Amino acid sequence: EPEVTQTPSHQVTQMGQEVILRCVPISNHLYFYWYRQILGQKVEFLVSFYNNEISEKSEIFDDQFSVERPDGSNFTLKIRSTKLEDSAMYFCASSGTRSNTEAFFGQGTRLTVV
Amino acid sequence: AQTVTQSQPEMSVQEAETVTLSCTYDTSESDYYLFWYKQPPSRQMILVIRQEAYKQQNATENRFSVNFQKAAKSFSLKISDSQLGDAAMYFCAYRSANTGNQFYFGTGTSLTVIP
Repeated sequence: EPEVTQTPSHQVTQMGQEVILRCVPISNHLYFYWYRQILGQKVEFLVSFYNNEISEKSEIFDDQFSVERPDGSNFTLKIRSTKLEDSAMYFCASSGTRSNTEAFFGQGTRLTVV
Repeated sequence: AQTVTQSQPEMSVQEAETVTLSCTYDTSESDYYLFWYKQPPSRQMILVIRQEAYKQQNATENRFSVNFQKAAKSFSLKISDSQLGDAAMYFCAYRSANTGNQFYFGTGTSLTVIP
């Protein structure tokens, strides 16, 4: 069964450093998302990506964040200068062409900023 | 923006019994989709069940069923014959059929299954 894969599963970084979280969405999907979940809290929307551009972004997704689909298969989230409060589980998701389709989530990347 | 509310932070159920998790949402749209996702300790989000708003019939998936009340904007999940593997965090989610494509999640309900 096709699945969304994320790497790495756990990333530890020093405050102020840049990190890139990687995702391989399901191959025939057209919508891609990043969500984050701070420990014990709700799943928060960061950004959605469609047709090689950002289609929606939340207030959380400020200038320190960027997304890219560099090669038609990977979908990356870059955090330029990490802060302690960026520590969270980051989930990548993808969905198909129709709005009634569910999002398929990856297993998440746990980012720890120290 | 749409909001999704889960008023039960924690629930527990005896194994083999039935439990209902509540979800309400706020929207001005008439065409949308609702989902229940399960997040076990492994943290991966897994789809449990999906409901199209235009369908009056409640969705059912094996031991999982929903009670969708469109006028009341309520979307509860019923788990029958609860199993130990059902223990997880359950999130209710909303997606518009028209504007945007993001999923809005509730705060989750942590379900404990008691042997």
